Amino acid sequence: GQQLNQSPQSMFIQEGEDVSMNCTSSSIFNTWLWYKQDPGEGPVLLIALYKAGELTSNGRLTAQFGITRKDSFLNISASIPSDVGIYFCAGGNSGNTPLVFGKGTRLSVIA
Amino acid sequence: GAVVSQHPSWVICKSGTSVKIECRSLDFQATTMFWYRQFPKQSLMLMATSNEGSKATYEQGVEKDKFLINHASLTLSTLTVTSAHPEDSSFYICSAPVWGTGTQYFGPGTRLLVL
Repeated sequence: GQQLNQSPQSMFIQEGEDVSMNCTSSSIFNTWLWYKQDPGEGPVLLIALYKAGELTSNGRLTAQFGITRKDSFLNISASIPSDVGIYFCAGGNSGNTPLVFGKGTRLSVIA
Repeated sequence: GAVVSQHPSWVICKSGTSVKIECRSLDFQATTMFWYRQFPKQSLMLMATSNEGSKATYEQGVEKDKFLINHASLTLSTLTVTSAHPEDSSFYICSAPVWGTGTQYFGPGTRLLVL
């Protein structure tokens, strides 16, 4: 099935550094979602974006819904060890349709 | 945010037995739920869409007789892995959308190990 292009695949950063990851799609979405998954757990919703151009923050996390509705980025500022995990982007449309996921970005934070 | 639960969180069974996994939306109603399978270090793979009051829709390559889905109420969907074999061992996750928003919330997942 369709999959979003998410990059980078993995990142190793020092504690305190900022992180940026992004997703692109060939299709337009009405919603962009960012999830974090810890080992052995289900994905947890971090930020939901509903409008093209929207910039939303959740603590140290900031995400934007691209103006073309085909891309989104997630920034994490001043990373800490508990930021370690896999981050997934997902595109969706209103209504009960399945999300389309990126392959994930595996983040490692070196203390 | 909305809460989705799954039960059990992990299960070990013998080959040939059937295993039932429950997915519940705890504080909202979900006419649709999704079932995913995830292999180590990979993204989520959609298996099927569970529809309350009607048949589930399966993705290509997913055997509907192997993975039985029942959406008994607006808050409960069950996935039954019938005659499980070792290759069915995986991490199974459900999600439920909040109607009209495009937002979906995931359960904590069920790890299945078939011996």
